[in-house]
Amino acid sequence: AQKITQTQPGMFVQEKEAVTLDCTYDTSDQSYGLFWYKQPSSGEMIFLIYQGSYDEQNATEGRYSLNFQKARKSANLVISASQLGDSAMYFCAMSFTGGGNKLTFGTGTQLKVEL
Amino acid sequence: GAVVSQHPSRVICKSGTSVKIECRSLDFQATTMFWYRQFPKQSLMLMATSNEGSKATYEQGVEKDKFLINHASLTLSTLTVTSAHPEDSSFYICSASSYRSSYNSPLHFGNGTRLTVT
Repeated sequence: AQKITQTQPGMFVQEKEAVTLDCTYDTSDQSYGLFWYKQPSSGEMIFLIYQGSYDEQNATEGRYSLNFQKARKSANLVISASQLGDSAMYFCAMSFTGGGNKLTFGTGTQLKVEL
Repeated sequence: GAVVSQHPSRVICKSGTSVKIECRSLDFQATTMFWYRQFPKQSLMLMATSNEGSKATYEQGVEKDKFLINHASLTLSTLTVTSAHPEDSSFYICSASSYRSSYNSPLHFGNGTRLTVT
């Protein structure tokens, strides 16, 4: 079974600063995918970034980067130059080869960006 | 990009009635759709997986007779909450994937439906 752990229920960051949201996972599968989604208060799920278990380079998408440490089973999201619009709930999620697109989600981190 | 439309966005119903939520893939054929449920400030919990033309697979603890899922076409899946009770009040969100998708493809989600049962 897969398990995702996000230990930070809430985080604050000042505008223009960088912030790291933690995510650790547990799986016995060799092939898996790690995703980060953003959920604003309106409820939609916005895909941010993906990291494959065999990817040697850390994924980056604009201001988002994923700090992937496979041996530690961690996939932390780094948001650089935070903006007020980044205030939202952030979920780490995982898929595995036997599950198709089925995602297991972490408990989420509520990020608030302050002036 | 792939677009998934979910309707309605909000619904209020009386206890004992049934509510149908639609999930449509607008620009691709969705061979698989997933239905999630989310309580306030909590994570998304997978309720069921539906494949076009076959019966849905429900996660453990989800009552299949209460949450009826139909995936009759490659672009539409419906979730019907039957005989709704106040404890069914929640945020329901669907996602869809095509036959080309695999474990490393991001899921595309609908905007969710906030159900309130009075």
